[in-house]
Amino acid sequence: DSGVTQTPKHLITATGQRVTLRCSPRSGDLSVYWYQQSLDQGLQFLIQYYNGEERAKGNILERFSAQQFPDLHSELNLSSLELGDSALYFCASSVASGLNEQFFGPGTRLTVL
Amino acid sequence: AQTVTQSQPEMSVQEAETVTLSCTYDTSESDYYLFWYKQPPSRQMILVIRQEAYKQQNATENRFSVNFQKAAKSFSLKISDSQLGDAAMYFCAYRSAYNRDDKIIFGKGTRLHILP
Repeated sequence: DSGVTQTPKHLITATGQRVTLRCSPRSGDLSVYWYQQSLDQGLQFLIQYYNGEERAKGNILERFSAQQFPDLHSELNLSSLELGDSALYFCASSVASGLNEQFFGPGTRLTVL
Repeated sequence: AQTVTQSQPEMSVQEAETVTLSCTYDTSESDYYLFWYKQPPSRQMILVIRQEAYKQQNATENRFSVNFQKAAKSFSLKISDSQLGDAAMYFCAYRSAYNRDDKIIFGKGTRLHILP
């Protein structure tokens, strides 16, 4: 158990819908990262937040957005869902930015039908 | 942009034997970190080992060791005395050492089967 929690574990929804994935980082961790793991694209970095502010952005679609709240939990919002958005979404956290190890949560499996 | 390549989609090894997983990467940066992550059927991403590019000595963690060849941009993982619990997907990964960007870049992975 990495100490990072993600909810829900599984999510099944239809095309065109909007979902919110939630992540609680390890106690004391200020940085949160979101990754997408799909069969065709592999594991890809989406976005990073550090202490409530966006720090780095990867291949995140405009239909996706994220935020980190004052209590440091983070949410990833996915809208206008398409079949290709079906994937495993990981959240990771680290103490700060920089070298510190990123600890991964168990992931949320999103299935878009 | 940095890239990570794992040329072996799948590998098999007999229990108790040694296996080496290959990884090459491309970067123009001089300072960076390399990782091997394990993803068992539970899907949890587990850090196996990491290497700082400025260190010449190869990292080791119990039965896991790496062969880091900076000039060749190669970073292979050796698993000694393979155990059934080592069966998993293994990802090679790269991270810049510069604070402007903390993202980890992953390879496509190598699925390792352990034969009893």
